[in-house]
Amino acid sequence: GQQVMQIPQYQHVQEGEDFTTYCNSSTTLSNIQWYKQRPGGHPVFLIQLVKSGEVKKQKRLTFQFGEAKKNSSLHITATQTTDVGTYFCAASSGGSNYKLTFGKGTLLTVNP
Amino acid sequence: NAGVTQTPKFQVLKTGQSMTLQCAQDMNHNSMYWYRQDPGMGLRLIYYSASEGTTDKGEVPNGYNVSRLNKREFSLRLESAAPSQTSVYFCASSAHNLEQFFGPGTRLTVL
Repeated sequence: GQQVMQIPQYQHVQEGEDFTTYCNSSTTLSNIQWYKQRPGGHPVFLIQLVKSGEVKKQKRLTFQFGEAKKNSSLHITATQTTDVGTYFCAASSGGSNYKLTFGKGTLLTVNP
Repeated sequence: NAGVTQTPKFQVLKTGQSMTLQCAQDMNHNSMYWYRQDPGMGLRLIYYSASEGTTDKGEVPNGYNVSRLNKREFSLRLESAAPSQTSVYFCASSAHNLEQFFGPGTRLTVL
């Protein structure tokens, strides 16, 4: 089945530093979604990318979808303690199959 | 709107016991999903239901059964619980190929 590799598994930063997590697939993706899960909480949808080379921004968060639609990244500028949590990418192969394959996530901790 | 609700929030079972995890959504979504989350493993799909009346296996279906009771409800049953099924279980729903909305989760321990 489809696999999505996500790195790094963990990232610890000082508040104010930047953070990036990467998601890679060996197959072309129909779209990719990003979720955030706070400690003890449930995953919450952040964004969906559909087009090749797409870049979307949400305040300090920048999301990119690769030109070949096989990789994606989430970049946070100037992290804050509120950014703590696990960030997951989730890929869809498209069609009538609405399944998502999740990456294993990147746990971000921020030292104030 | 309550979104996606799950019951129970916590459960402790003994090996061999059975139980059903309940999930309901009030967003009129066609698709519903059951995931398990284990440390370092991310979210793994157990079963999903693309629409009312259909169910399909996901990545880790062994030891589980599901029922799409109606458009709102999608239950997950463990017939004979095993310690390997100790996990956090999330139900989710979505409209077409769009974002998934997750419930608060059920934390299950099997002794």
